[in-house]
Amino acid sequence: QVHLVESGGGMVQPGGSLRLSCAASGFTFNTYAMHWVRQAPGKGLEWVAFTRYDGSNKYYADSVKGRFTISRDNSKNTLYLQMNSLRAEDTAVYYCAKDASHSLDYWGQGTLVTVSS
Amino acid sequence: DVVMTQSPLSLPVTLGQPASISCRSSQSLVHGDGNTYLNWFQQRPGQSPRRLIYKVSNRDSGVPDRFSGSGSGTDFTLKISRVEAEDVGVYYCMQGIHWPWTFGQGTKVEIK
Repeated sequence: QVHLVESGGGMVQPGGSLRLSCAASGFTFNTYAMHWVRQAPGKGLEWVAFTRYDGSNKYYADSVKGRFTISRDNSKNTLYLQMNSLRAEDTAVYYCAKDASHSLDYWGQGTLVTVSS
Repeated sequence: DVVMTQSPLSLPVTLGQPASISCRSSQSLVHGDGNTYLNWFQQRPGQSPRRLIYKVSNRDSGVPDRFSGSGSGTDFTLKISRVEAEDVGVYYCMQGIHWPWTFGQGTKVEIK
C-alpha cells in the first residue's frame, strides 16, 4: 500500500533554512507528480508546491515563491522541500501528497516546522 | 487565484441526521477534457487529511456510501445521509484545475 513519510521538521529561527524529506513507497514513485501542502496550527489547508513525475515542471504558491524549492530524487523514491528565508508565518505541519490527476489521493502524516526566535 | 468558499463553517449535527456542506468556486472547475476537478477531503481530529470524493461525485475506496458529492460548474455539495460519530472532523473542498490549487476554509462537523 502507499506510504508517505515526512521528516526534517523542527524549530528554526526566522531567516533560517530547513529541508524536508518525504520517503515514498508502495507505488511507482517516478511515474507520479507530487505535492507539498501545509497547515498552520489551528488553521486550514494551504497548497504549497508541485513537481511533475520527472521534476521538469514545478509550481509554487505565491506565499513561498522564491524562498522554497521542491525537488525529487527518483532513484531514492524521495521528495524534498528546501525552505529558505523562513518566516513566522511558515510555521505549520507540512504534508507531502501523491498526485492523482488534478487531485491528491494519499497524504503523509506530516512534519511540524516551527519558525521562532 | 480561485477562491473556494464553504458554508457553513461550523455544522453541529444530531447523530443519525443528514448533513450538507456547500462549496462554491470563483471560477468554473470544468477542464478542457470535460471533467470537473472538485475534491472533498475529511480531516479527523489529530489525523492527516483523507480524500473522500474526487471529480465531484466519485467516492474513494473504503468511503461509506452515506457520503455523496454533487454539483457542477462552480457550485458543489457534500452530503452525509446519516451522520455517525466517526464523521466528526473538518471537511475541505479543493479545486485541482487552476494553479495554485486552492482549498475551502473548512467546515467543522460536530455532534450536538
